Amino acid sequence: EDQVTQSPEALRLQEGESSSLNCSYTVSGLRGLFWYRQDPGKGPEFLFTLYSAGEEKEKERLKATLTKKESFLHITAPKPEDSATYLCAVQGPRGSARQLTFGSGTQLTVLP
Amino acid sequence: AAGVIQSPRHLIKEKRETATLKCYPIPRHDTVYWYQQGPGQDPQFLISFYEKMQSDKGSIPDRFSAQQFSDYHSELNMSSLELGDSALYFCASSPRLVGTQYFGPGTRLLVL
Repeated sequence: EDQVTQSPEALRLQEGESSSLNCSYTVSGLRGLFWYRQDPGKGPEFLFTLYSAGEEKEKERLKATLTKKESFLHITAPKPEDSATYLCAVQGPRGSARQLTFGSGTQLTVLP
Repeated sequence: AAGVIQSPRHLIKEKRETATLKCYPIPRHDTVYWYQQGPGQDPQFLISFYEKMQSDKGSIPDRFSAQQFSDYHSELNMSSLELGDSALYFCASSPRLVGTQYFGPGTRLLVL
């Protein structure tokens, strides 16, 4: 069974204080690892897709990396508007639907 | 850019009533997924459709059914509603079975 574990559960940063979020996964045959941002009461907003170990992607202050067992979301010089819950999800080959299995998320708060 | 559309955005029902949630995928996306997100929880996969046929089932109760129509929109039908069905229901679409899923804004269902 696919499993995704995210840490920490919650993270409070001062504006400009860089940090990393962790996503550890177990999946039989990774099709893709996805990072989403979710604001309260809203739908997950797509950030990145990573397909193979060693892959990296960047967008503004965010950078996602992937190894064979985990992924990191690095946040450089965060701003208060980066406050949100960041969800990691994996997509495996099991079944035909390729549904996502989500972690419990990291709730990030960036203080001004 | 066009996004996933869900309606209604909010729905209040009594126990044992029925509810129908609608999802309109991004144009040219042929795969639709339904997820349920309880308070403080991560999204849980319910069911998916590819090219108008059910593709896979997750933790969807027997009281729920869904279908995808010829124009690719999908409807989630929920009967004999229970208090525990109160949650955010998200629809996501992707251009093919394997790939990035883009989420809609969700329908917030409250069962009284």
